[in-house]
Amino acid sequence: EVQLEQSGAEVKQPGESLKISCKGSGYSFDSFWIVWLRQMPGKGLEWMGIVYPGDSDARYSPSFQGQVTMSADKSISTAYLQWSSLKASDTAMYYCAKHRRPGGGMSETFDFWGQGTLVTVSS
Amino acid sequence: DIQMTQSPASVSASLGDRVTISCRASQDIINHLAWFQQRPGKAPKSLIYAASSLHGGVPSKFRGSGSGTDFTLTISSLQPEDFATYYCQQYYTSPPTFGQGTRLEIK
Repeated sequence: EVQLEQSGAEVKQPGESLKISCKGSGYSFDSFWIVWLRQMPGKGLEWMGIVYPGDSDARYSPSFQGQVTMSADKSISTAYLQWSSLKASDTAMYYCAKHRRPGGGMSETFDFWGQGTLVTVSS
Repeated sequence: DIQMTQSPASVSASLGDRVTISCRASQDIINHLAWFQQRPGKAPKSLIYAASSLHGGVPSKFRGSGSGTDFTLTISSLQPEDFATYYCQQYYTSPPTFGQGTRLEIK
């Protein structure tokens, strides 16, 4: 059974750093891109970027380039999304999902999703 | 970026009804169109890819159609668990973009 298990909710202050995780199981983790998506409170879904666990290659949406860093450790089947300096506007639910087909690039859709990680940034 | 426009923004329906949700792309996306369901407080669930193909385990009451710029999601025999928000997504070009969502409510 394919599963993506995300780390728990976080409450941080502006300016702090943060790294959240997404652990995959039930499939060949290093062969499928992992995508990260943002959902701000009461809003829709936004595609942030993708990371390939096989070699940690990461591609970003222009809207998120330079704002976050995506990485992966294939030895523990885990992908990461991190911030070096959080802002209040980073408050959102963050989801990871896996691409439907192995390999490929940015133009693919997703099949399985993580349960989401709620990040709250407040002073 | 390709703009995805869903209509209506919300729709009310009764148990057993059939509803149709529309999604329009700002340019030709062939059939690179997916649909997702998000129940309140839950993670999205993938329903359809390539405009009309169901993901594994998705019941046949969900039907996707369309090509080019105009797509539809039809849901038959509405049950309580179907009342949710539905999103379309294009993955023809990068970055993939979503519609704003259609909220399906119980009448």
